[in-house]
Amino acid sequence: AQTVTQSQPEMSVQEAETVTLSCTYDTSESDYYLFWYKQPPSRQMILVIRQEAYKQQNATENRFSVNFQKAAKSFSLKISDSQLGDAAMYFCAYRSVQGGSEKLVFGKGTKLTVNP
Amino acid sequence: NAGVTQTPKFQVLKTGQSMTLQCAQDMNHEYMSWYRQDPGMGLRLIHYSVGAGITDQGEVPNGYNVSRSTTEDFPLRLLSAAPSQTSVYFCASRKWGSTDTQYFGPGTRLTVL
Repeated sequence: AQTVTQSQPEMSVQEAETVTLSCTYDTSESDYYLFWYKQPPSRQMILVIRQEAYKQQNATENRFSVNFQKAAKSFSLKISDSQLGDAAMYFCAYRSVQGGSEKLVFGKGTKLTVNP
Repeated sequence: NAGVTQTPKFQVLKTGQSMTLQCAQDMNHEYMSWYRQDPGMGLRLIHYSVGAGITDQGEVPNGYNVSRSTTEDFPLRLLSAAPSQTSVYFCASRKWGSTDTQYFGPGTRLTVL
């Protein structure tokens, strides 16, 4: 079974600075998807960024980028020019591509605080 | 499109009561699923459906029933609520065959006393 580990329960960053959130995963599959979700206090789950394992290029969405290291099974999220609105819980998630698999496997989350 | 909608937003039950959490989507998505989120945990899959009339169990199915009579709706039933079912429940949907991620509803906070 796949597992996702987020080793940082809490992180903090100064406004306008850069922060990196860590995620590692365990799988025997060669193709899969990885996601970062943001959950603000409103509890809405918001997709931040997505990476397809067969793509070697790291995904980027504006101030958010990932460092995808497939061999190391590592998928970290970098937030540049942090803003107060970035404060939230961040969840890393894995999804298999086999057989139309529905299941998303989530890590336990990292609480990000942005200090003014 | 309203996306994925869930009702109610909040609910308090007594142990042993039954209730149904409603979930609907207007995006014609084949896949629908239910997750629960407990403090200090990520989301865990309860049940999912790949289309009308087809459902399957996820990681934590005990104590919950589902059915899928239409593409749009995927209700989650608690037959006899227990305090261990106190949680936040999320419904999600996704188009089959798509590389897209899932769209989540706003969640239902359930407290079982």
